Amino acid sequence: AQSVTQLGSHVSVSEGALVLLRCNYSSSVPPYLFWYVQYPNQGLQLLLKYTSAATLVKGINGFEAEFKKSETSFHLTKPSAHMSDAAEYFCAVRRNFGNEKLTFGTGTRLTIIP
Amino acid sequence: EAGVAQSPRYKIIEKRQSVAFWCNPISGHATLYWYQQILGQGPKLLIQFQNNGVVDDSQLPKDRFSAERLKGVDSTLKIQPAKLEDSAVYLCASSSTRGKGGNEQFFGPGTRLTVL
Repeated sequence: AQSVTQLGSHVSVSEGALVLLRCNYSSSVPPYLFWYVQYPNQGLQLLLKYTSAATLVKGINGFEAEFKKSETSFHLTKPSAHMSDAAEYFCAVRRNFGNEKLTFGTGTRLTIIP
Repeated sequence: EAGVAQSPRYKIIEKRQSVAFWCNPISGHATLYWYQQILGQGPKLLIQFQNNGVVDDSQLPKDRFSAERLKGVDSTLKIQPAKLEDSAVYLCASSSTRGKGGNEQFFGPGTRLTVL
């Protein structure tokens, strides 16, 4: 079975500061990992994904994440926060074969302080 | 390219009533998913279709929830009768090819259900 744990249900950063959202995964087989963003009253939008190629993955809106097998982590970062980054962020995991069922974390709400 | 469409966007019902949600996936997407997102939690898969067949419905409460995708295109999710704990956002997603590594799921805006 696969699962993800997102550390910190709420994160606040100042505009222009580094954004770091934490995600640790548990998987009995090599996983695929995803970060999604959800703006109020909208569906989820894919930010980036790790599919066993490069361990440093770049996504949309300046976000990136690094897959670290030794730490079972896939933390999301952005060098400089913008007000428009305020949203809910979800980490998700699935197996790298077969049924592509996604298992989501509980989410991290990111607030940007002007 | 049009995205995943869902209706209604909001629904308020009383407990023990019935409700149905509709989803139209992106054109050509064979795989369709229904997720339940309870406030403060991540989405949980309820059911996954490949064309008009069910791939995974292990977390669907079958005593009250049902879903169909008769022609392999749009889908309906029904709750009958609804309970208070069914209050949630119901998200529909679709993807183009089953089993492909890292295949992206595209999500609709969701239907927010409130059960009073």
